[in-house]
Amino acid sequence: GAGVSQTPSNKVTEKGKYVELRCDPISGHTALYWYRQSLGQGPEFLIYFQGTGAADDSGLPNDRFFAVRPEGSVSTLKIQRTERGDSAVYLCASSPRGLAGGPGEQFFGPGTRLTVL
Amino acid sequence: KQEVTQIPAALSVPEGENLVLNCSFTDSAIYNLQWFRQDPGKGLTSLLLIQSSQREQTSGRLNASLDKSSGRSTLYIAASQPGDSATYLCAVRLSGKTSYDKVIFGPGTSLSVIP
Repeated sequence: GAGVSQTPSNKVTEKGKYVELRCDPISGHTALYWYRQSLGQGPEFLIYFQGTGAADDSGLPNDRFFAVRPEGSVSTLKIQRTERGDSAVYLCASSPRGLAGGPGEQFFGPGTRLTVL
Repeated sequence: KQEVTQIPAALSVPEGENLVLNCSFTDSAIYNLQWFRQDPGKGLTSLLLIQSSQREQTSGRLNASLDKSSGRSTLYIAASQPGDSATYLCAVRLSGKTSYDKVIFGPGTSLSVIP
């Protein structure tokens, strides 16, 4: 079956612009995660959805970052007034069960490489 | 606050060698630990997942162990091959009395297997 997909694969934008990054999780997966990965670092947690609601958004760096998952499937990460420091690879992962009690294995998409000039 | 470290940061070995990658975490209250592989410019591929109640998991040439009390996990790769060259990341899922599901990653170990 299809894995997690992310679009676009690459995004180049100018400082101050608005960008949207999309994640299509594996069908039926209720949990969805966004991470940010800088060069040479492990992924850094941003936000976690269980269904349509953001169960934990403590990793969002500031209020320029926002994410939605209106129907409990596709999610969009939105970044306003982009800054050069936002440049990174943004990874999405989904999991069949997000709550304690399941195996909790995460399946990752290929990521979107964001470059802010 | 949970912190995850990985040693070494980089490793280069000749083909055929057995090797061990190390992962340490500061808070033993974890739900599970997962090892991933990441190829350059790609997403993460899950290798092994160990639940907090388990001591080890095996898949082919890979064996991962978990010692919660000491806050350590190791990934053992037997008979390494050039195709094993990649960055290996460990990640711990926090546990708690709520539905909290935060996952903390280590910085990774970059492995090169020389033919």
